[in-house]
Amino acid sequence: GIQVEQSPPDLILQEGANSTLRCNFSDSVNNLQWFHQNPWGQLINLFYIPSGTKQNGRLSATTVATERYSLLYISSSQTTDSGVYFCAVIPGGSQGNLIFGKGTKLSVKP
Amino acid sequence: DAGVTQSPTHLIKTRGQQVTLRCSPKSGHDTVSWYQQALGQGPQFIFQYYEEEERQRGNFPDRFSGHQFPNYSSELNVNALLLGDSALYLCASSFLGNEKLFFGSGTQLSVL
Repeated sequence: GIQVEQSPPDLILQEGANSTLRCNFSDSVNNLQWFHQNPWGQLINLFYIPSGTKQNGRLSATTVATERYSLLYISSSQTTDSGVYFCAVIPGGSQGNLIFGKGTKLSVKP
Repeated sequence: DAGVTQSPTHLIKTRGQQVTLRCSPKSGHDTVSWYQQALGQGPQFIFQYYEEEERQRGNFPDRFSGHQFPNYSSELNVNALLLGDSALYLCASSFLGNEKLFFGSGTQLSVL
């Protein structure tokens, strides 16, 4: 089955710093989403981005489907950005079954 | 507009018991999916319900079963609990044809 690999696994930042999280996937996808899981376990959908670039405030994401990767950019990080960021995909030809990576654990220090 | 709601938030059971978890989807959504998240891992797909039928199923044993009601709410049942079933159980809802998922806060199940 499709493999979803996220890097780095852990990231520690000082407040105000910028970061880039990467998601590589081993096969074609027709759906890619980025989630933020806060320390209380709530998964928040950040982006639905099977291809192209989107921006939402300090966050932006780019997916290059032909090269099988996606990037999540966080600018001017805040302590509230801490948590785990997951990339999840639905393989091409499949329906409704998101496959998650193992996540990137981000800690933003004041 | 209420988001996805799950109950209970925490649950403690002993091995061999049975458990039922509940989920109400976001308003306007007709599809409910269940995921299991072990500590330090990404969520794993259990199954998905649409129009009261199981539409897709992940690699989970038959001890895991579900149901969807006419109002689109859903239940996840786990029989003969094992220690390894201890995890955060997440419910997600969506509108069929639009696969952007919205998750509830989860039910933390501990099996002793």
